[in-house]
Amino acid sequence: DIQMTQSPSTLSAFVGDRVTITCRASQSINNWLAWYQVKPGTAPKLLIYKASTLEVGVPSRFSGSGSGTDFTLTITNLQPDDFATYYCHQYNAYPGMFGQGTKVEIK
Amino acid sequence: VQLVESGGGVVQPGGSLKLSCAASGFIVSNYGMHWVRQAPGKGLEWVAFFRSDGNAQYYADSVQGRFTVSRDTSKNMLYLEMTSLRPEDTALYHCAKGSRPYYYYIDVWGKGTAVAVSS
Repeated sequence: DIQMTQSPSTLSAFVGDRVTITCRASQSINNWLAWYQVKPGTAPKLLIYKASTLEVGVPSRFSGSGSGTDFTLTITNLQPDDFATYYCHQYNAYPGMFGQGTKVEIK
Repeated sequence: VQLVESGGGVVQPGGSLKLSCAASGFIVSNYGMHWVRQAPGKGLEWVAFFRSDGNAQYYADSVQGRFTVSRDTSKNMLYLEMTSLRPEDTALYHCAKGSRPYYYYIDVWGKGTAVAVSS
């Protein structure tokens, strides 16, 4: 199975900050990676697929990059609505492992 | 496009439960469909996948042989039948729509239905 290692597990930031979350695959997954935002009591939301393609309707302050084994999710100008937990997910092959998650907290 | 799960509840270890997922706004048989769960205080865990053509179902090792994913195209519904349940199966179970007929990224999620396995 392909393992996904996501870091950090928690990060604290101010509104307006730029934050970066990393995700590393145990083997190459080409660019078959998605990023999701999860808030308690709501359905998870797709942010980015194919490593860097922004889903329709997602604000442009979200961006993704990387290929092969190393990927990043960047949020610029962090907004109050962005405080949530973020997960990477590889879909190169099943089982489609998720990263452990990164909780973005208000500093 | 919307997914609404139901059927969760409290069940004893070794028991069974069948979750349902009602889809609206799209045709379930045109897309691959997933189940993903989140245990309390834990991260997301992919559980199962049902391919659009109905000829393939994939499962996580942790549920292989105990869980079965199925579909009713006439009702536009997806199901997850869970048997031999264990305390570690306690989680919020999300139904999710794949973006393609085959195994691919998830583009729409339901809010989930909670399952608790406890004596």
